[in-house]
Amino acid sequence: AQSVAQPEDQVNVAEGNPLTVKCTYSVSGNPYLFWYVQYPNRGLQFLLKYITGDNLVKGSYGFEAEFNKSQTSFHLKKPSALVSDSALYFCAVRDSPSSASKIIFGSGTRLSIRP
Amino acid sequence: ETGVTQSPTHLIKTRGQQVTLRCSSQSGHNTVSWYQQALGQGPQFIFQYYREEENGRGNFPPRFSGLQFPNYSSELNVNALELDDSALYLCASSLETVAYEQYFGPGTRLTVT
Repeated sequence: AQSVAQPEDQVNVAEGNPLTVKCTYSVSGNPYLFWYVQYPNRGLQFLLKYITGDNLVKGSYGFEAEFNKSQTSFHLKKPSALVSDSALYFCAVRDSPSSASKIIFGSGTRLSIRP
Repeated sequence: ETGVTQSPTHLIKTRGQQVTLRCSSQSGHNTVSWYQQALGQGPQFIFQYYREEENGRGNFPPRFSGLQFPNYSSELNVNALELDDSALYLCASSLETVAYEQYFGPGTRLTVT
């Protein structure tokens, strides 16, 4: 069975510093990995995905994620954090590109950027 | 904004009652998935509808049911509400041939008392 783990409930970073939000996964086949962000009273917004190819994936709002197959990780990164990046971040995985396959979400990491 | 809308925004029901939540997909999307997000947790997959047929289901009991209409809008119905059903219910639409990305609505906050 596929699963996702986000080991940190909260990450605190000063504005302008680099940030990393961690994610590890487990799937039986090839992983299809995603990051979503959720702002208060809003639905989830898609940030980026890894399907195949280059291990470094670039997404929206200056975010990027690095796929590491040997460590089964897909950490979210940004070189310089903004206060507006403060939100709840979810890593997700599915084991098939088919829209019929269910997507499994992690428990979320709350990112707090202090001015 | 994604173009996916949900109604109502908030809802309060009593244990044992029935509820219907509605979702309007992004234009051109023929697949709708429903998720339950309990407080402090990630979304959990309830089920998916593709071209008006259920096309995958998570670990939810049969009292959770759904419909998809010819215009691809969708309903989530929950019978015999329990206190643990209190959550944010999210729908997400996608296009079958581009299945990697789902576009989420803002959710319906259901409180069961």
